[in-house]
Amino acid sequence: DAGVIQSPRHEVTEMGQEVTLRCKPISGHNSLFWYRQTMMRGLELLIYFNNNVPIDDSGMPEDRFSAKMPNASFSTLKIQPSEPRDSAVYFCASSLAYNEQFFGPGTRLTVL
Amino acid sequence: AQSVAQPEDQVNVAEGNPLTVKCTYSVSGNPYLFWYVQYPNRGLQFLLKYITGDNLVKGSYGFEAEFNKSQTSFHLKKPSALVSDSALYFCAVRDRVGDKIIFGKGTRLHILP
Repeated sequence: DAGVIQSPRHEVTEMGQEVTLRCKPISGHNSLFWYRQTMMRGLELLIYFNNNVPIDDSGMPEDRFSAKMPNASFSTLKIQPSEPRDSAVYFCASSLAYNEQFFGPGTRLTVL
Repeated sequence: AQSVAQPEDQVNVAEGNPLTVKCTYSVSGNPYLFWYVQYPNRGLQFLLKYITGDNLVKGSYGFEAEFNKSQTSFHLKKPSALVSDSALYFCAVRDRVGDKIIFGKGTRLHILP
């Protein structure tokens, strides 16, 4: 099993540009989570899906952030427009039912 | 509301000594409890979990954790620390309804050679 796959691994962009982060969960998992990690704020849950349906998006910072899960094997997190304060490592994780989460390697986003 | 606390930002232990990383939780009902480890520039990696049964749970890399319901604690332990155990450790809790897991802020473990 390849584990959770995230792309790109690194993204450098300029303020105001659109950024799209991608995630492929582990096959068979029915829950998917997007997290953001920074030194200042630690690990924050942004949004999670169950069976492709968004369940809790209370952690999404503002309207510039949006997430979709069009099918069981793919999810995107989009930031439009991006700002320097969005610079962080973004993790995707997946799980089966109420079991432990498996994390991807993360996308390191730098907004200049 | 469910919550988890890791009271120590950093723990320093000499190699070969036993280590403990503390975690306390607050949740309605019986919790699911987890420990994760994060090595530099990597995602979080599952170590162990408590669902039910024996209060002492064994996990990866020789780690174990003890569930204490009366003290609402789930401390991570290892009898003999290795330098390679140096990493960031997260405790997490989930109640029995829903998939959302609440993570602690993390404890940085330094094993000194």
